[in-house]
Amino acid sequence: RKEVEQDPGPFNVPEGATVAFNCTYSNSASQSFFWYRQDCRKEPKLLMSVYSSGNEDGRFTAQLNRASQYISLLIRDSKLSDSATYLCVVGVRNDYKLSFGAGTTVTVRA
Amino acid sequence: EPEVTQTPSHQVTQMGQEVILRCVPISNHLYFYWYRQILGQKVEFLVSFYNNEISEKSEIFDDQFSVERPDGSNFTLKIRSTKLEDSAMYFCASSEWQGDTEAFFGQGTRLTVV
Repeated sequence: RKEVEQDPGPFNVPEGATVAFNCTYSNSASQSFFWYRQDCRKEPKLLMSVYSSGNEDGRFTAQLNRASQYISLLIRDSKLSDSATYLCVVGVRNDYKLSFGAGTTVTVRA
Repeated sequence: EPEVTQTPSHQVTQMGQEVILRCVPISNHLYFYWYRQILGQKVEFLVSFYNNEISEKSEIFDDQFSVERPDGSNFTLKIRSTKLEDSAMYFCASSEWQGDTEAFFGQGTRLTVV
């Protein structure tokens, strides 16, 4: 079983729409969770950390469900500039690395 | 805003040659990493480095790979004898705290082995 699994998409949405997608992780010892954004052939960039209570950063909302071992990302009022691949990233307590999902591709069209 | 910088941005090398990829982590960060991403695939962990020694390494990081922090600022990845399958984007990253915390990535070095 993969450590981190994501729906690859693509999610094609019009500007202004809301799009949401999930990620599941297999290791119950995971304690840190992030969403990174990756543009084509560029480096991953931290979008937001995900906290147990859920958190919001502008148009982006992340949720964590420890019982079911998934995290979600919701993007409201999508902009063309939101088109990217969103990487679900998980860290395990006392590990010295992060584990990446394969990414969910979002394309926002005008 | 502080950032991780990597050089070169693109390296083409012949199979069997040695390559050294260079990185300057964010200055107050203590943990350093190399990840790689083969085209069309996910980002994979290679190695983490703390206090001048390897903290953890993946199965990918075999005897052909080595890392070094030769001075107070640079962090390097050496591949001793490159293979075609080493062609990938190599990302250096650094973090202030231990490896399960948020890491900041350099822009990457695209390695092409021919």
